[in-house]
Amino acid sequence: AQSVSQHNHHVILSEAASLELGCNYSYGGTVNLFWYVQYPGQHLQLLLKYFSGDPLVKGIKGFEAEFIKSKFSFNLRKPSVQWSDTAEYFCAVNVQDYKLSFGAGTTVTVRA
Amino acid sequence: NAGVTQTPKFRVLKTGQSMTLLCAQDMNHEYMYWYRQDPGMGLRLIHYSVGEGTTAKGEVPDGYNVSRLKKQNFLLGLESAAPSQTSVYFCASTALLGATGELFFGEGSRLTVL
Repeated sequence: AQSVSQHNHHVILSEAASLELGCNYSYGGTVNLFWYVQYPGQHLQLLLKYFSGDPLVKGIKGFEAEFIKSKFSFNLRKPSVQWSDTAEYFCAVNVQDYKLSFGAGTTVTVRA
Repeated sequence: NAGVTQTPKFRVLKTGQSMTLLCAQDMNHEYMYWYRQDPGMGLRLIHYSVGEGTTAKGEVPDGYNVSRLKKQNFLLGLESAAPSQTSVYFCASTALLGATGELFFGEGSRLTVL
């Protein structure tokens, strides 16, 4: 079974700092990749996704992620975070079946 | 448009009690899922369904049962609750995972087993 690893459990940043969250997966075939975000007290929502094509994908709220096939990675980035980006971020992988596997999540705290 | 609705949102049980969580979606989605979310472990798939009348086991199915008698509803049952089942449960649905990739989540059900 595939696994999804998120290397950072908790990241604390100041506003305007840059953010990069790591995500690696262990599956050698074709995958679909996602980042979901869960704001405090809310349900998960899709931030961005990669299926094919340009490995640099842009999502909502200024987030982007880069798929590097050779490294089995799909890292999330944002050049300048805001206080409102405080949330938990989940990387997820679909190996083109019916299921989506999630990483353990990274809690991001942005200090004003 | 309600999307995905879970009931109840909060519940406290004693060890050995049973309960059912209801998930309802109004988007005519084929696929429905039950996940549990625990600190440091992310979301783990309990059971899922690829259509009305079908169910399948996920990563952590033990202690849970599910039913999908109607396309719009996906029920998660705990026959004999254990403290290890204290968690936040999320239901999700999607039209076709491989095509759009987006799971639509409910707001979660927080279950505490004493």
